[in-house]
Amino acid sequence: GENVEQHPSTLSVQEGDSAVIKCTYSDSASNYFPWYKQELGKRPQLIIDIRSNVGEKKDQRIAVTLNKTAKHFSLHITETQPEDSAVYFCAASNGGGSYIPTFGRGTSLIVHP
Amino acid sequence: DAGVIQSPRHEVTEMGQEVTLRCKPISGHNSLFWYRQTMMRGLELLIYFNNNVPIDDSGMPEDRFSAKMPNASFSTLKIQPSEPRDSAVYFCASSLGRGSIGEQYFGPGTRLTVT
Repeated sequence: GENVEQHPSTLSVQEGDSAVIKCTYSDSASNYFPWYKQELGKRPQLIIDIRSNVGEKKDQRIAVTLNKTAKHFSLHITETQPEDSAVYFCAASNGGGSYIPTFGRGTSLIVHP
Repeated sequence: DAGVIQSPRHEVTEMGQEVTLRCKPISGHNSLFWYRQTMMRGLELLIYFNNNVPIDDSGMPEDRFSAKMPNASFSTLKIQPSEPRDSAVYFCASSLGRGSIGEQYFGPGTRLTVT
């Protein structure tokens, strides 16, 4: 089955800096890669996703890149703000197979004012 | 739409008692997922339903756990008998279309404490 590794487990940055979270996956058939943000005590919510036919996607201050050859994808947050502090989860799933998502263990991002 | 609804939001019970968690997915969504979240194990998929049919229950930890989806608007996750190690936040999520190839909408979660 799919295995998703996520790094780092904790990331501490100063407000205004950039943050990068990386994930690797094992199943070359995976073709959908969402990122979820979970604020303390809240539910996970989708912030951005990418499909395998695209190498990069941006939405304001966040972007995701995908390298299918190397089987890794990354979340980039620019100009971080204190409200970006949360746990971020990556996931991978195979739309033509089991459809079941496999989540990474999460990255706790702390943005210091 | 009110989003995914879960009840109760908090449950405290004693070891050995039966616990039933409830979920109402977003209307029109045909995929439903139950997750368990703990600090030690992260976010674990327990079971996945598509069109009310259980497709994959390989994440269900043991026979004490069971899940049903009698219709498109309701699902339950039952633990009988409950144990302290079952303490966790249980999330229900739904999505439109087959499987997870699309956004999952999570409910607010049920925080279960077994003493």
